[in-house]
Amino acid sequence: AQTVTQSQPEMSVQEAETVTLSCTYDTSESDYYLFWYKQPPSRQMILVIRQEAYKQQNATENRFSVNFQKAAKSFSLKISDSQLGDAAMYFCAYRSLGNRKLIWGLGTSLAVNP
Amino acid sequence: GAGVSQSPSNKVTEKGKDVELRCDPISGHTALYWYRQSLGQGLEFLIYFQGNSAPDKSGLPSDRFSAERTGGSVSTLTIQRTQQEDSAVYLCASSLVSSGGANQETQYFGPGTRLLVL
Repeated sequence: AQTVTQSQPEMSVQEAETVTLSCTYDTSESDYYLFWYKQPPSRQMILVIRQEAYKQQNATENRFSVNFQKAAKSFSLKISDSQLGDAAMYFCAYRSLGNRKLIWGLGTSLAVNP
Repeated sequence: GAGVSQSPSNKVTEKGKDVELRCDPISGHTALYWYRQSLGQGLEFLIYFQGNSAPDKSGLPSDRFSAERTGGSVSTLTIQRTQQEDSAVYLCASSLVSSGGANQETQYFGPGTRLLVL
């Protein structure tokens, strides 16, 4: 069975600085999807970025980028120029090609200090 | 367009009572998912509906939990004889499943229903 591990329960970053959140996963599959979701206090889970495992190029969405290391089964999220609005829980999730349910890590709580 | 909506936003109930949680997916989305988020834990998959196919119920924790999706749109998650351990945030998501387009595989979430069983 697939598992997702986020080893950092809490992180903090100074406004305008860069922070990297870690995520590792375990799978025997060769093709899958990986996601980072953000959950602010409003509870709404918001998609930050996604990566298809067959793509070697790291996904980027504005200030958010990933470092996808398929062999190491690592999928870290880098947030550049951190803003106060980035403060939230961040969840890493895995999805098989043939099974649409998401498998989640336990999350990392990110604080952004002014 | 409108996102996924869920009601009620919060629900407090007494142990042993039944509760119904509602989810309105994004219009046109063919797939609907329910997840549970317990305090201090990650999200746990409960059930998945896709079109007219039989739902994937593999995540339902007990037979007290059931869900239905009427007309391929609105879904109701029912918890019978609630227990204190059922207290959690219940999140619904929907996605558009079709043959093409990477973005169509993305799940979009509602704001959740926070359930408290006393």
